[in-house]
Amino acid sequence: DGGITQSPKYLFRKEGQNVTLSCEQNLNHDAMYWYRQDPGQGLRLIYYSQIVNDFQKGDIAEGYSVSREKKESFPLTVTSAQKNPTAFYLCASSIVTGTANYGYTFGSGTRLTVV
Amino acid sequence: AQSVTQLDSQVPVFEEAPVELRCNYSSSVSVYLFWYVQYPNQGLQLLLKYLSGSTLVKGINGFEAEFNKSQTSFHLRKPSVHISDTAEYFCAVSRMDSSYKLIFGSGTRLLVRP
Repeated sequence: DGGITQSPKYLFRKEGQNVTLSCEQNLNHDAMYWYRQDPGQGLRLIYYSQIVNDFQKGDIAEGYSVSREKKESFPLTVTSAQKNPTAFYLCASSIVTGTANYGYTFGSGTRLTVV
Repeated sequence: AQSVTQLDSQVPVFEEAPVELRCNYSSSVSVYLFWYVQYPNQGLQLLLKYLSGSTLVKGINGFEAEFNKSQTSFHLRKPSVHISDTAEYFCAVSRMDSSYKLIFGSGTRLLVRP
């Protein structure tokens, strides 16, 4: 079955460490997204990418970095510059069309905790 | 810029009662509208979407929503809820002229009691 796989499901980070969250999709979707979810704040866009080797900052990109070397993969690195990284991270993908948005498909998320 | 407001952070309701979750949006251009559901520690699942045509949209699990352009609303309804409907519900909007980017509301937690 096609879908989005996020790994790991739980991740613990020490102060000053960089960590990378994996996101892989086999839906042949062009666009991929990273969202951060905090209690009571909904979803906030970190980065998004419409095509391979191109990506744009979202609303809260500071302290994060991404790459899009393959259509199927969009890893997110949480750097030590991100001062409050404890959150639930969601990856999503979608078809890119000029006239319609059929919605996103989401992965099951990664819960990152700073210890 | 677009924005989405979900007026209720939590909605408690008894099992088999009807429920309405409210969503209002703000946009200077035409939009597409979505409702997603999130169960604990999981990703979001698409419930229904409005792209064009009939303003009453039916989705999965017995949910429906009505698009009201004059009131800029897209409220979600279910005539009879079940315990299993307990979850977080998110309303989202995207511009028709840059349709890839979704803006989400802050969510409404539906709590169904026996």
